[in-house]
Amino acid sequence: AQSVTQLGSHVSVSEGALVLLRCNYSSSVPPYLFWYVQYPNQGLQLLLKYTTGATLVKGINGFEAEFKKSETSFHLTKPSAHMSDAAEYFCAVSYGGSQGNLIFGKGTKLSVKP
Amino acid sequence: GAGVSQSPSNKVTEKGKDVELRCDPISGHTALYWYRQSLGQGLEFLIYFQGNSAPDKSGLPSDRFSAERTGGSVSTLTIQRTQQEDSAVYLCASSSGDPQYFGPGTRLTVL
Repeated sequence: AQSVTQLGSHVSVSEGALVLLRCNYSSSVPPYLFWYVQYPNQGLQLLLKYTTGATLVKGINGFEAEFKKSETSFHLTKPSAHMSDAAEYFCAVSYGGSQGNLIFGKGTKLSVKP
Repeated sequence: GAGVSQSPSNKVTEKGKDVELRCDPISGHTALYWYRQSLGQGLEFLIYFQGNSAPDKSGLPSDRFSAERTGGSVSTLTIQRTQQEDSAVYLCASSSGDPQYFGPGTRLTVL
């Protein structure tokens, strides 16, 4: 079965440090790829997406992710963490193109220390 | 503009009762999805509606779960004879292509 793996259920960084959240998918067929963020007691908000074209995609709040087909990865990064980045982050894939249902990773909870 | 709305925001019910959860998608979005978020299982796809096509029900966990979408807009997810393992946050999303926009969810607690 197709799956999404997020390495590390909990990541802690200091304010100003690099944020790196890892995501790998299982299929050799490149899916559409998404990162969503969920703040406490809120719904999911789209951070960024990759469908086709440029493999480095930029999203909101200074986040970016790079699609690497050879590694079946779509890791999320931000050069400098801010306290407001503390949230849970979900990587998701769609194999049905623009209308497919999403398969989610288990999520990574990001903590930011002052 | 208005986003995806869901009601109620919280629902507490007793085991064995039926519940209905409502989703109002973004106006004009042809696709509507239901997902479930629980501690043990993470985020799981339940069902997908696209226009007037037959829905994709492949994610429904049992025949106690059903959903309908009236007039290509509002959707209702019904859970019959609720069980404690149905306790979760039920999320609705809509789209007109990608990406999917999510509502705030309904937190269901089955006692």
